[in-house]
Amino acid sequence: IAGITQAPTSQILAAGRRMTLRCTQDMRHNAMYWYRQDLGLGLRLIHYSNTAGTTGKGEVPDGYSVSRANTDDFPLTLASAVPSQTSVYFCASSRTGENTEAFFGQGTRLTVV
Amino acid sequence: GQNIDQPTEMTATEGAIVQINCTYQTSGFNGLFWYQQHAGEAPTFLSYNVLDGLEEKGRFSSFLSRSKGYSYLLLKELQMKDSASYLCAVKGSNYQLIWGAGTKLIIKP
Repeated sequence: IAGITQAPTSQILAAGRRMTLRCTQDMRHNAMYWYRQDLGLGLRLIHYSNTAGTTGKGEVPDGYSVSRANTDDFPLTLASAVPSQTSVYFCASSRTGENTEAFFGQGTRLTVV
Repeated sequence: GQNIDQPTEMTATEGAIVQINCTYQTSGFNGLFWYQQHAGEAPTFLSYNVLDGLEEKGRFSSFLSRSKGYSYLLLKELQMKDSASYLCAVKGSNYQLIWGAGTKLIIKP
């Protein structure tokens, strides 16, 4: 199946626990992104990777880490979850360049209690 | 600072035309995107503008004026399935997308 896949679809997590959200794409896109989407706010970039082996911080990186060991996978880790990290998380990928739309995964709805 | 503004919500009638506006102030400009997002789903790409003018794609058109920092998405012959949020995003100087909060479009029969 071509596209971008996230797992899990939803999760309830106790505060203080560690959690990794998985993201895999099979489109051979160089660039990958993690966003969070909260009601009333636009998508906010957490971390990104322009190519395998490199990562960068977005607008709201605190409390999150990423790795990009290969082209296809871009996991997002919450080292010690807090309630303010309750959100819908979207992974996306794109080719690099100007006219390159992003393709999104189906999202992970995370609730930290 | 960088800012993208869109109306929070709009209502339109099935079969009618609606225009969703987006104004932006960003450091650098490398194109403007419109995405559609149905409730509980992922955003999907609708259109891209980098030069001034109108881009038409079926029932949807998107317009850009770089000098005014302004874009609109025009939806014609509205259908119930067009009920969704419409997200405006600008690719800034670092080639990262900056997103508006989205406009929720409600279509009434």
